[in-house]
Amino acid sequence: DAGITQSPRHKVTETGTPVTLRCHQTENHRYMYWYRQDPGHGLRLIHYSYGVKDTDKGEVSDGYSVSRSKTEDFLLTLESATSSQTSVYFCAIRDSNQPQHFGDGTRLSIL
Amino acid sequence: DQQVKQNSPSLSVQEGRISILNCDYTNSMFDYFLWYKKYPAEGPTFLISISSIKDKNEDGRFTVFLNKSAKHLSLHIVPSQPGDSAVYFCAASASLLTNTGNQFYFGTGTSLTVIP
Repeated sequence: DAGITQSPRHKVTETGTPVTLRCHQTENHRYMYWYRQDPGHGLRLIHYSYGVKDTDKGEVSDGYSVSRSKTEDFLLTLESATSSQTSVYFCAIRDSNQPQHFGDGTRLSIL
Repeated sequence: DQQVKQNSPSLSVQEGRISILNCDYTNSMFDYFLWYKKYPAEGPTFLISISSIKDKNEDGRFTVFLNKSAKHLSLHIVPSQPGDSAVYFCAASASLLTNTGNQFYFGTGTSLTVIP
């Protein structure tokens, strides 16, 4: 298994609260990604990173921010959580010219 | 607008028979295609890929076929086994040769059930 750890694995929170999800890798891969998975939508890219402090938006980035201050950590923040952000969130990592490898996901419920 | 489409939400196949999962895409810039397999409560696992310079790639029981003119790819599993029961996602990307890490676009998935 690729060395990817997502934390927390499960979280329940209330609308309007800030939430931060963490993705940690031990592979020293350059690229890191955050996706959300929702029924009927498959996996949709939120943000990705191509190096320390280098990030870009994906197709569903509104309401999310990311930071990557170290190669091994990629943080996803919901500044003010909304019920529409209830989802399963997956982190992925990738080395150059290789496929992505995914973590086991974080199930986030916003009440 | 969904750039990668899997129009069959589910598929059931008898053990030992062939499973064929289909995927269509709309963006002619896509040149790298992948299939992932996902079990419940786990992350997707890479299965097989194909670049646009090929029309077929085989790895054991798994073969991916690419028809660029039709913008269609398919995954064949022969013979199908009960352990293959999972959700299968196809994904596409426009080139691995940029420095910005590429966006990968995923289909909505097909749930395969292999009946013993």
